[in-house]
Amino acid sequence: EAGVAQSPRYKIIEKRQSVAFWCNPISGHATLYWYQQILGQGPKLLIQFQNNGVVDDSQLPKDRFSAERLKGVDSTLKIQPAKLEDSAVYLCASSLGRDRGLDTQYFGPGTRLTVL
Amino acid sequence: AQSVTQLGSHVSVSEGALVLLRCNYSSSVPPYLFWYVQYPNQGLQLLLKYTTGATLVKGINGFEAEFKKSETSFHLTKPSAHMSDAAEYFCAVSGKAAGNKLTFGGGTRVLVKP
Repeated sequence: EAGVAQSPRYKIIEKRQSVAFWCNPISGHATLYWYQQILGQGPKLLIQFQNNGVVDDSQLPKDRFSAERLKGVDSTLKIQPAKLEDSAVYLCASSLGRDRGLDTQYFGPGTRLTVL
Repeated sequence: AQSVTQLGSHVSVSEGALVLLRCNYSSSVPPYLFWYVQYPNQGLQLLLKYTTGATLVKGINGFEAEFKKSETSFHLTKPSAHMSDAAEYFCAVSGKAAGNKLTFGGGTRVLVKP
């Protein structure tokens, strides 16, 4: 079974530029999550989708971050414009979406973003 | 609201020695508790989880954890460390009312000395 795929793996940009990350979840997984992991910290949930609807985006900085999952499968996370403090690893995860609180989340390898 | 505190950002153990990673949580609802491991340049992998029932949970790679409600703890142990256990470990809490939202601790990096 293929895991969660993410691309690119690494990205270096200058502040005020835009960047986009792509995630393809495990086939059949209804729930998709984007996390931000700053160096030395645990992952922080940015946004959670159930199929193509947003379940939780309370910690997404909506003035600069956006995410979509138009067809309920793969997803894109965008930052526009980027700030220095956005330097982090962006992790995508997916789960079946059947058992609230019991689902195991499967994580992709992440995209490491460096903002100069 | 939920939160997780992992005591010790770095732990150093000798190969063959006991591994003990501490995790305390705060939750206003019955918690679901998780331990994840992250190897360099990789995503997180689930080691074990507690939802309900038996409070001693066994996971992969010889790890286990015990849920102690009175102490609000979920410490992770492995009797004998192996070099391959060198990684970062994250404790996380969720719950039915939290809609599967995971709240992670800050992580503990484990170094295994030969």
